[in-house]
Amino acid sequence: ELKVEQNPLFLSMQEGKNYTIYCNYSTTSDRLYWYRQDPGKSLESLFVLLSNGAVKQEGRLMASLDTKARLSTLHITAAVHDLSATYFCAVGFAGAGSYQLTFGKGTKLSVIP
Amino acid sequence: SQTIHQWPATLVQPVGSPLSLECTVEGTSNPNLYWYRQAAGRGLQLLFYSVGIGQISSEVPQNLSASRPQDRQFILSSKKLLLSDSGFYLCAWSVDRDQPQHFGDGTRLSIL
Repeated sequence: ELKVEQNPLFLSMQEGKNYTIYCNYSTTSDRLYWYRQDPGKSLESLFVLLSNGAVKQEGRLMASLDTKARLSTLHITAAVHDLSATYFCAVGFAGAGSYQLTFGKGTKLSVIP
Repeated sequence: SQTIHQWPATLVQPVGSPLSLECTVEGTSNPNLYWYRQAAGRGLQLLFYSVGIGQISSEVPQNLSASRPQDRQFILSSKKLLLSDSGFYLCAWSVDRDQPQHFGDGTRLSIL
């Protein structure tokens, strides 16, 4: 059974600081997805990482994937209040007849002015 | 462009009542469709997925069922709701594993 662990689960940081969210998974996978969820809202896709060593950046967020270590990171640079949300990583795998995602429990980020 | 619609947005139902949540996708053909449930403050649990009309796979035993009567329509149902069925229900679609799954706005279900 594929397990996906995120840490930390809760993160409170000051504006302007840097921090990294970690996503570890238990079995081989070829794709890793990051999503953002605002309170009471649905999930919004941030990044899709397709191969070992992949790095993607959008604004103050940068995601990377190390398939050998089974680890993905989401790095936050110079945090601003608008980044406050819950961030999920999801690992892809081929199930019976379909491609499925297993989600981590999410990291709730609060950026304090 | 592709869009996904879910309704209703919120629903309050008594224990033992039936349920029907609907999801439709526009702008794409033969998508993979998914139903997830998110309990308060927790991650997403995959309930059902479908790769085509009439093809439903269940991930978690429960009193819920799903149907796909048309290519871009996915329905989540129950004959008798339990208190434990409360949560945020999300429908999603995908056509390519190199692209993310795209989520609808969700239905917040409260059972009284």
